[in-house]
Amino acid sequence: NAGVTQTPKFRILKIGQSMTLQCTQDMNHNYMYWYRQDPGMGLKLIYYSVGAGITDKGEVPNGYNVSRSTTEDFPLRLELAAPSQTSVYFCASSFYRVSEGTQYFGPGTRLLVL
Amino acid sequence: DQQVKQNSPSLSVQEGRISILNCDYTNSMFDYFLWYKKYPAEGPTFLISISSIKDKNEDGRFTVFLNKSAKHLSLHIVPSQPGDSAVYFCAASAWLQGGSQGNLIFGKGTKLSVKP
Repeated sequence: NAGVTQTPKFRILKIGQSMTLQCTQDMNHNYMYWYRQDPGMGLKLIYYSVGAGITDKGEVPNGYNVSRSTTEDFPLRLELAAPSQTSVYFCASSFYRVSEGTQYFGPGTRLLVL
Repeated sequence: DQQVKQNSPSLSVQEGRISILNCDYTNSMFDYFLWYKKYPAEGPTFLISISSIKDKNEDGRFTVFLNKSAKHLSLHIVPSQPGDSAVYFCAASAWLQGGSQGNLIFGKGTKLSVKP
């Protein structure tokens, strides 16, 4: 059982480039989330999804886009990379909303924008 | 404006002793609290949670205490083991409010080092 997988593990982008961070879960979870963690800081929610076809903004959505065409996949798109998007990105999933079930996190994608 | 605060960036404890990690919050609508543990180069993993209708929850060596009037919660680890060395994140949610308020708000984390 793989849980939540993320690719790539590490990526260097130039300013203005675009990329997609991939996230897949095999637990048939309804809810999926994208967080970023800056050095010395807590995790901040970028976008979340309550099911296929339904997404919503979190605390820091600017500069990002998401889609959820299947239950399993929740890719995060950066259109015009900026140095401020240098961070570690974590994808997570849960079967229920927060109180009824814990979130399971992927191993993270480290992104460096130069 | 931080809604969830972990004011101690680090904590060092001797093996076998108690570790106490603290967390304060400012939003009185928060009604569910969680602790996550994170090792380097891995994602956070869920440790223990507590709802606002309780003041204590235990799971093995881990106990979380909630003091609603003080807007304070703490995680006790007894006895501490070297494998407990990690960053611990406190998180809170106003899940009863629904919608985006049900999302988790994380503190900055406390790095625990348990020395043999």
